[in-house]
Amino acid sequence: GAVVSQHPSWVICKSGTSVKIECRSLDFQATTMFWYRQFPKQSLMLMATSNEGSKATYEQGVEKDKFLINHASLTLSTLTVTSAHPEDSSFYICSARSGVSTDTQYFGPGTRLTVL
Amino acid sequence: GNSVTQMEGPVTLSEEAFLTINCTYTATGYPSLFWYVQYPGEGLQLLLKATKADDKGSNKGFEATYRKETTSFHLEKGSVQVSDSAVYFCALRAAGGGNKLTFGTGTQLKVEL
Repeated sequence: GAVVSQHPSWVICKSGTSVKIECRSLDFQATTMFWYRQFPKQSLMLMATSNEGSKATYEQGVEKDKFLINHASLTLSTLTVTSAHPEDSSFYICSARSGVSTDTQYFGPGTRLTVL
Repeated sequence: GNSVTQMEGPVTLSEEAFLTINCTYTATGYPSLFWYVQYPGEGLQLLLKATKADDKGSNKGFEATYRKETTSFHLEKGSVQVSDSAVYFCALRAAGGGNKLTFGTGTQLKVEL
């Protein structure tokens, strides 16, 4: 099946710094990528949807200036957490869709962010 | 709004036991329903799906039936294996299409010898 990777798998940073997380589709072109956030023992919450070459669409309550999403190519999307604070500590998961089927999203393994 | 509720875990079973993980949903119309599985260290993988009432999704011995009358999509397997140990997520996609998946909180399954 299709493979989606994320880098880094975990990151620890100081409060006030920015962190970039990459999401790559390794063997297919992803017309759409999704970014989720997962708190411990809670469900995945969709943060934003990005289509290659256009601005991301953010879900209600997600600060677009805080969570910058770039989908510059058909195989790469990045999420930058700007001026991170401890409350941004979470598990961030991306998924990618090839556009062939609206039901098929391929998920990355996630990135654990800890802000000190 | 749409929501998915699934039973809390962890669920611990002996190998070859019968598995049921309950999932109920709240949504208007006829959403599509999914079960995803996440093995340790890996991303979520689609396990099975059903797109209309009374449909049964099945894969790898797992089954789930779309029950509109009870708004449920319970996951079942007749005989679990140690390799089935993972976290299972129930999810829905609203009727009418769109991209957004709404997930449950996940249920961890541990299968012991």
